[in-house]
Amino acid sequence: EVQLVESGGGLVQPGGSLRLSCVVSGFTFSTFSMSWVRQAPGKGLEWVSLVDTTGYNTYYANSVKGRFTLSRDNSKNTVFLQMRSLRAEDTAVYYCAKGGNSWYYFDSWGQGTLVTVSS
Amino acid sequence: DIVLTESPVTLSLSPGERATLSCRASQSVNSNFLAWYQQKPGQAPRLLIYAASRRATGIPDRFSGSGSGTDFTLTISSLEPEDFAVYYCQHSDGSSWTFGLGARVEIK
Repeated sequence: EVQLVESGGGLVQPGGSLRLSCVVSGFTFSTFSMSWVRQAPGKGLEWVSLVDTTGYNTYYANSVKGRFTLSRDNSKNTVFLQMRSLRAEDTAVYYCAKGGNSWYYFDSWGQGTLVTVSS
Repeated sequence: DIVLTESPVTLSLSPGERATLSCRASQSVNSNFLAWYQQKPGQAPRLLIYAASRRATGIPDRFSGSGSGTDFTLTISSLEPEDFAVYYCQHSDGSSWTFGLGARVEIK
């Protein structure tokens, strides 16, 4: 069974930093891309970032480019999202998502971790 | 950037009825890169359809997808109580991933 478990969310002040983790199991981690998708309270889904299977190539939404860094450790079946210079508009549930056989869609999702940016 | 727009924003139907949701892209897209997701309150999204018309693993055959170019459709042939949810279409060009704003199917 595919499982994705996020952690690291919480309350942080504007301008602060937070590091999210996603530990996966049930599939060969190193052969699939991984992404983060967020959802602000009462809003729709917004893709945040994707890392390819090697970890060498990463992609970011314009809204987080230069502030967020996505990485993966294939030896630990884990992806990390380092978030810096956080803003109120970054407040959201952050979902970890597994790429499908084609990395153009997401075929498994974690339950999410809530990040709240507020003073 | 490609913008995806689902319609109608809200669809009010009764169990057993047919639901038809539209996803319109602001420019023509490759149908291989168009997906649909379902999200229920308090839950993570679930992949329903990928490559515009292929059902994901475990998805009932009452869900179907179609379309090409700029116009895509998600059809639920006969609504079950568990199908009342929000539905999102999603596209990628290989370096960015975009979701529509979502369409809600509610119980009439």
